[in-house]
Amino acid sequence: GQNIDQPTEMTATEGAIVQINCTYQTSGFNGLFWYQQHAGEAPTFLSYNVLDGLEEKGRFSSFLSRSKGYSYLLLKELQMKDSASYLCAVRDGGATNKLIFGTGTLLAVQP
Amino acid sequence: NAGVTQTPKFRILKIGQSMTLQCTQDMNHNYMYWYRQDPGMGLKLIYYSVGAGITDKGEVPNGYNVSRSTTEDFPLRLELAAPSQTSVYFCAIIGPGDRPDTGELFFGEGSRLTVL
Repeated sequence: GQNIDQPTEMTATEGAIVQINCTYQTSGFNGLFWYQQHAGEAPTFLSYNVLDGLEEKGRFSSFLSRSKGYSYLLLKELQMKDSASYLCAVRDGGATNKLIFGTGTLLAVQP
Repeated sequence: NAGVTQTPKFRILKIGQSMTLQCTQDMNHNYMYWYRQDPGMGLKLIYYSVGAGITDKGEVPNGYNVSRSTTEDFPLRLELAAPSQTSVYFCAIIGPGDRPDTGELFFGEGSRLTVL
């Protein structure tokens, strides 16, 4: 079966660092994605990991451990505009490029 | 979200009515996807297509149909609308991205459908 777990909600303070975890159990694996989704808008791509380790992109970093079925998204120097849902998604192992999404983590950044 | 156009953006349907959500892309991508997102939830794959003339079911296909007669268009049809189909529908393609090897999805703006 396919199962992707994330915390439902998180709260953090402006300027701080927050880590959003994602664990997955899927029948195939060909990469893990993080998307950001502001209320009422479409998801937008943040990061991609296919090999173990850390990928850094400005204030955002994403980590993957394939043996543990685990990823996290790290957001540094939080800003109010980072208040959004963060979706973890796993690409299955076939040639169809299908993404299986978790339910998302709603992050609220407080002053 | 230039490149993927969805219409309509909003629609209210009565139970039992039918309608088609349109999705058009101008990027000549083969892979196209329809997802639905219920309030506070992640995205569920309804149908996908890997090229013109080829479609397949995703996680939640019941109550929907698709066709892919051209590379550009991938319409989603609801034949007998039910309240359970109240949702936001997103069409997606494999995006332009700044890393061509990632295969990231690039979403349209969404179509918000309410069935009463």
